[in-house]
Amino acid sequence: NAGVTQTPKFQVLKTGQSMTLQCAQDMNHNSMYWYRQDPGMGLRLIYYSASEGTTDKGEVPNGYNVSRLNKREFSLRLESAAPSQTSVYFCASSEAGGALDEKLFFGSGTQLSVL
Amino acid sequence: AQSVTQLDSHVSVSEGTPVLLRCNYSSSYSPSLFWYVQHPNKGLQLLLKYTSAATLVKGINGFEAEFKKSETSFHLTKPSAHMSDAAEYFCVVSSWDTGRRALTFGSGTRLQVQP
Repeated sequence: NAGVTQTPKFQVLKTGQSMTLQCAQDMNHNSMYWYRQDPGMGLRLIYYSASEGTTDKGEVPNGYNVSRLNKREFSLRLESAAPSQTSVYFCASSEAGGALDEKLFFGSGTQLSVL
Repeated sequence: AQSVTQLDSHVSVSEGTPVLLRCNYSSSYSPSLFWYVQHPNKGLQLLLKYTSAATLVKGINGFEAEFKKSETSFHLTKPSAHMSDAAEYFCVVSSWDTGRRALTFGSGTRLQVQP
């Protein structure tokens, strides 16, 4: 049972390069999320997708785009990477996304460095 | 608006001694509250959650948390620390914000367990 799978695990980019982080879940969840984790700041929501075909901005969306390719997959794209985007990125999913007590399932993260 | 404050960024205990990780929150609505644990190079995993059914919540691996509305606190405890408890712990509040669920993560507490 894979759960939430993210690729790649590590990436180094030069300023201005682009890349896409991939995420897939096999739990038939409706909602998917992208977070970034920076030291001393907890996790901050970049974008989320409440259901297949919809995406919405989170707390820190600038410099990112997302695609909900199908129910399983939710990708995050950096069009022109900047050093401020150096971070650890987590994909997460949840069953429906609407209930206060619904838990999130997390992938193992992508460590991204932008030089 | 809602917020979460984890009062200690770093806690160090000896193996076999009690653990206390402190969390205070604020929310305009009755929230759900979570504790997640993150082991090195891993994604976040749910420890326990509070959903108003009972103020004392039991989680995995012997952890407990008590919801105290009067103190707006949700502290995490464990009677006896184990080496495998060394990790980062996040307190999370889930509440309503402009008609949809919003999660706010605390900045994390790193637990070190000394032999």
